[in-house]
Amino acid sequence: TQLLEQSPQFLSIQEGENLTVYCNSSSVFSSLQWYRQEPGEGPVLLVTVVTGGEVKKLKRLTFQFGDARKDSSLHITAAQPGDTGLYLCAGAAGRRALTFGSGTRLQVQP
Amino acid sequence: NAGVTQTPKFQVLKTGQSMTLQCAQDMNHNSMYWYRQDPGMGLRLIYYSASEGTTDKGEVPNGYNVSRLNKREFSLRLESAAPSQTSVYFCASSELSGAYSREQFFGPGTRLTVL
Repeated sequence: TQLLEQSPQFLSIQEGENLTVYCNSSSVFSSLQWYRQEPGEGPVLLVTVVTGGEVKKLKRLTFQFGDARKDSSLHITAAQPGDTGLYLCAGAAGRRALTFGSGTRLQVQP
Repeated sequence: NAGVTQTPKFQVLKTGQSMTLQCAQDMNHNSMYWYRQDPGMGLRLIYYSASEGTTDKGEVPNGYNVSRLNKREFSLRLESAAPSQTSVYFCASSELSGAYSREQFFGPGTRLTVL
């Protein structure tokens, strides 16, 4: 069974602060996806990273895929209350469906 | 396009009752999935269908059955509900599955309570 561990599980910060969320595994993935989920809704894709070492930026969010394609990080610069939500990483490998991490719940206080 | 739709949105069952959760997608996707999400946890895969005519067990299949009715529809059945099945259920679809999957599209979820 492939496992994805996310840390931290919960993060409460003030508006304007920076933060990093980590997604780690002992398994290699073909790609890694990051989703954000808001209360009462399903997850929505933020980004997919495919190549080891790849870095993608989405406005204030920076995503990195580890060189060995076993881990990933999400960095948010100058967090805003609108960034509040549950952040989920998910890995794709072989013929299996995606493996989801347990999530990081982010709360940004105004 | 409606994307992925799920019915019902809310349901309360008594222990031992049965019910079917419905899911449909209008994106012509090949693959469909059922997940459950419990408080403080991520998504756990119950069953998935990589393509029309196939279904496979996920991480937590016990107590559930699925039917890929056609390319658009994928239903989840609880034959004899138990309190441990109280959860939020999400259906999702993607163009391809496994290593080729690049994005999953999720429905709004069904909030199920089993008393």
